[in-house]
Amino acid sequence: NAGVTQTPKFQVLKTGQSMTLQCAQDMNHNSMYWYRQDPGMGLRLIYYSASEGTTDKGEVPNGYNVSRLNKREFSLRLESAAPSQTSVYFCASDPGQGGGYTFGSGTRLTVV
Amino acid sequence: QKEVEQNSGPLSVPEGAIASLNCTYSDRVSQSFFWYRQYSGKSPELIMSIYSNGDKEDGRFTAQLNKASQYVSLLIRDSQPSDSATYLCAGGSSGYSTLTFGKGTMLLVSP
Repeated sequence: NAGVTQTPKFQVLKTGQSMTLQCAQDMNHNSMYWYRQDPGMGLRLIYYSASEGTTDKGEVPNGYNVSRLNKREFSLRLESAAPSQTSVYFCASDPGQGGGYTFGSGTRLTVV
Repeated sequence: QKEVEQNSGPLSVPEGAIASLNCTYSDRVSQSFFWYRQYSGKSPELIMSIYSNGDKEDGRFTAQLNKASQYVSLLIRDSQPSDSATYLCAGGSSGYSTLTFGKGTMLLVSP
């Protein structure tokens, strides 16, 4: 039982490059989320998907796009990476009934 | 007032003591509350959830919710060095909602 799987675990990008962070869950959860975690800032919501076929902006969506590919997968894309996007990115999921999130292991992204 | 606030710590306790972690919240996140533990370099893991006033116990952990005072706390009894981590408080509003996280309190348990 893998839970929430994120790839890659580490990535270094140059300013202006693009990349997609992948997330998949095998718990049949309806809702999925992307957060970023920065020192002193805590976890901040980037985008979320309440159910398959829907996506919504969170607190810090600028510079990101998302795709809910199917019920299992929710990807986060950086079209033109900036140093300010250096962070640790966490994907999470929950059944959609307020029971608490299960987090993936995270992606540590550095933009130089 | 920020929606979910925690003292950043560190909170230092000796092994075997009770660690008390506190969190206050605003009206916007007033229905459901969660405590997560995050070890350095790892992802948050859910420890406890609490939805109604009072105490909820699970092993060495007790979550307390006081809606009148708008605070939620986590007590860790018989603290162990392996409990040393950052503890995140999170709150959600009524119906479907995303969670808002506090910045976390670092707990250090010394042998």
